[in-house]
Amino acid sequence: KQEVTQIPAALSVPEGENLVLNCSFTDSAIYNLQWFRQDPGKGLTSLLLIQSSQREQTSGRLNASLDKSSGRSTLYIAASQPGDSATYLCAVRPPGTYKYIFGTGTRLKVLA
Amino acid sequence: NAGVTQTPKFRILKIGQSMTLQCTQDMNHNYMYWYRQDPGMGLKLIYYSVGAGITDKGEVPNGYNVSRSTTEDFPLRLELAAPSQTSVYFCASSYILPPSGNTIYFGEGSWLTVV
Repeated sequence: KQEVTQIPAALSVPEGENLVLNCSFTDSAIYNLQWFRQDPGKGLTSLLLIQSSQREQTSGRLNASLDKSSGRSTLYIAASQPGDSATYLCAVRPPGTYKYIFGTGTRLKVLA
Repeated sequence: NAGVTQTPKFRILKIGQSMTLQCTQDMNHNYMYWYRQDPGMGLKLIYYSVGAGITDKGEVPNGYNVSRSTTEDFPLRLELAAPSQTSVYFCASSYILPPSGNTIYFGEGSWLTVV
């Protein structure tokens, strides 16, 4: 059974710092992996989608990498800003399904 | 573009009552999902649909029912509400191109409290 883990559960960093959020999954057979941002009281917004054949995706200050063999993905945020404060979740889609399995998220706080 | 719209945003139910959470999307997506999110937990899939007239159970379907009569709408029915169903409910949709798939779009959530 596929399980997705995100550590740490919470993280506080000073503004301007580069940071890495981690996502681990137990079964390396996946179709794709997505990173989401969730603001308090809001729904999830997709940030980056990495297909199983890709190693990384970039959008602005965000870079997501995927290492299927080790069951890991990282979300790199460059030059963090207070506006980046949110919960970040990753989700994987197992093969043969159209469902996504979510991690519990990392709650990020960027201090001004 | 409205995207994925859920109603109501907040609702308090008494134990044993029933209600329907409404979800509609205007992106002509074929796949739709209902998730619940409990405090400190990830999202758990309740039901999903691959197209009009087709639905299937997710991880936690007990106590819920769904229907998909149109591409746009995917209502979630709670029968005989229980305190364990107190949660935040998210509807989502996606246009899936096998075998890889595309971005999922989420609604803003429905906060449900059962007392």
